[in-house]
Amino acid sequence: EDQVTQSPEALRLQEGESSSLNCSYTVSGLRGLFWYRQDPGKGPEFLFTLYSAGEEKEKERLKATLTKKESFLHITAPKPEDSATYLCAVHGAGGTSYGKLTFGQGTILTVHP
Amino acid sequence: EAQVTQNPRYLITVTGKKLTVTCSQNMNHEYMSWYRQDPGLGLRQIYYSMNVEVTDKGDVPEGYKVSRKEKRNFPLILESPSPNQTSLYFCASSPGQVTFPLGYTFGSGTRLTVV
Repeated sequence: EDQVTQSPEALRLQEGESSSLNCSYTVSGLRGLFWYRQDPGKGPEFLFTLYSAGEEKEKERLKATLTKKESFLHITAPKPEDSATYLCAVHGAGGTSYGKLTFGQGTILTVHP
Repeated sequence: EAQVTQNPRYLITVTGKKLTVTCSQNMNHEYMSWYRQDPGLGLRQIYYSMNVEVTDKGDVPEGYKVSRKEKRNFPLILESPSPNQTSLYFCASSPGQVTFPLGYTFGSGTRLTVV
């Protein structure tokens, strides 16, 4: 069974204070690892897809990296508008997990001015 | 505008009264999926569909039905809703590339309360 664990559960930062969110996963054959941002009461918004260990992707103040067991979402010089819940999900390849996306519980990020 | 549209946004119903939550996408995506989101449990997949007439169970399919008769629509049916199905529901779609799957686009959500 695919599993995704995110840490920390909540993170409070001062504006400009860089940090990282962690996503550890176990999956039977990784087809893709996804990062999403979710604002309260809204649907998740797609950020990145990573397919293989060593891959990195960047978007504004966010950078996602992938190893064989975990992914990191680095936030550089965050602003209050970066406050949201960040979700990690894996798309497995084995057997009945084809087409199945498994999410972690998310990290609630709060950035104070 | 490319989007996934769910209706209704909010629904309060009584135990046992059949209901359908509609989902439609205008991006010609092959993959569609339903999730429920509960505090402390995160997003859990209910059902997913890889194409028309092809559906499969996710992690929490009990008490739900789906159908995929057209590529753009993927309704979620609760034949006899119970209070434990009170939740925030999301529909999502993806282009459905097998080797390198692409990210899902999510709808705005349906908040369902069963009393």
